[in-house]
Amino acid sequence: EAGVAQSPRYKIIEKRQSVAFWCNPISGHATLYWYQQILGQGPKLLIQFQNNGVVDDSQLPKDRFSAERLKGVDSTLKIQPAKLEDSAVYLCASSQAGGTEAFFGQGTRLTVV
Amino acid sequence: DAKTTQPPSMDCAEGRAANLPCNHSTISGNEYVYWYRQIHSQGPQYIIHGLKNNETNEMASLIITEDRKSSTLILPHATLRDTAVYYCIVRVTGRSNYQLIWGAGTKLIIKP
Repeated sequence: EAGVAQSPRYKIIEKRQSVAFWCNPISGHATLYWYQQILGQGPKLLIQFQNNGVVDDSQLPKDRFSAERLKGVDSTLKIQPAKLEDSAVYLCASSQAGGTEAFFGQGTRLTVV
Repeated sequence: DAKTTQPPSMDCAEGRAANLPCNHSTISGNEYVYWYRQIHSQGPQYIIHGLKNNETNEMASLIITEDRKSSTLILPHATLRDTAVYYCIVRVTGRSNYQLIWGAGTKLIIKP
């Protein structure tokens, strides 16, 4: 079975620019997560979707971050405008509804200069 | 804030059992303990989870103390490919979802 696909793999942008990341979860997985992982730290949940609805976005900086999952399948995370402290790996994960195991993609490494 | 405490790093000889400790003294009765690992430049990978009883699967064993304040992940025969950061995580129940609260993990280095 194909895993969670993310693109791009790497991105370098200047501060105040905008950037978007794409995620295609495992087929049939209703739950999709976006995490931010700063170097040396564990992942931090930004947003969780159940199908195309938001379940938890309490840690998403909504003044600059947005995410959507319009058809309940793939998802896009956007940052506008980017700050230096947004430099991190952005991980997408998916799981079956009520599932106990989340499957992660390889992540997108963002560097803001 | 993370609900777990782990040593920042550990070494283990190839072929030996790797025992990774984790403290979660504030865990609540319905909160599960999860373990994931992250190999360099890859996304995290699920290993095992448990509530009260010890658990074993093809990758590892999870030993949870009777008071549930700590646990140990055991990799029975470590190989070089087991070198990774291992995260001990408590799954908490939010208003409408479960959430994994990640700490900084233990960097496990398997030495030949």
